[in-house]
Amino acid sequence: NAGVTQTPKFQVLKTGQSMTLQCAQDMNHEYMSWYRQDPGMGLRLIHYSVGAGITDQGEVPNGYNVSRSTTEDFPLRLLSAAPSQTSVYFCASSSDRKAFFGQGTRLTVV
Amino acid sequence: RKEVEQDPGPFNVPEGATVAFNCTYSNSASQSFFWYRQDCRKEPKLLMSVYSSGNEDGRFTAQLNRASQYISLLIRDSKLSDSATYLCVVNIGSGAGKSTFGDGTTLTVKP
Repeated sequence: NAGVTQTPKFQVLKTGQSMTLQCAQDMNHEYMSWYRQDPGMGLRLIHYSVGAGITDQGEVPNGYNVSRSTTEDFPLRLLSAAPSQTSVYFCASSSDRKAFFGQGTRLTVV
Repeated sequence: RKEVEQDPGPFNVPEGATVAFNCTYSNSASQSFFWYRQDCRKEPKLLMSVYSSGNEDGRFTAQLNRASQYISLLIRDSKLSDSATYLCVVNIGSGAGKSTFGDGTTLTVKP
């Protein structure tokens, strides 16, 4: 069972570059979320979606865009990467308020 | 003040010890509560849900006190494999997209 799949696992970007972190789930969950986790800290919600075509901002949305064209996919786009966006990014899909996470993307912006 | 606050830790305990983690939340509209476990450099994984009546899963017991806005996790007979960071999670509203995570408490169980 694949569950939640994130790609890439590692990425190095230069300041100002843009890129998209991919997230796909095969559990037919309506809810999907993106979090970032900085060293020694908990997860902070970036954006979330309650279903295809519906997205909303979380706690730290600035510098990120999302879209939800299908139930399965929830990509996160960094518009113009900044060093402050160096972090580990986790995608989650949820059922009955319980979240299932992907393995994470470790992003470094230099 | 953070919405979800946890004991900062770290907790270093010997095998077989009993250890308790505490968590408080600030939003009285919170509806559901969970403990997650996160191993080093891995994704968080659901450990257990937390109910007002208390719930137990083997060596793990979770408790919710809505009046005090307080959540606890008790681990009995600690094993080396329990070493991890434990995250307290609170959901506001009906959707899981509004989960708020505590910063976590790190547990190290030593032989």
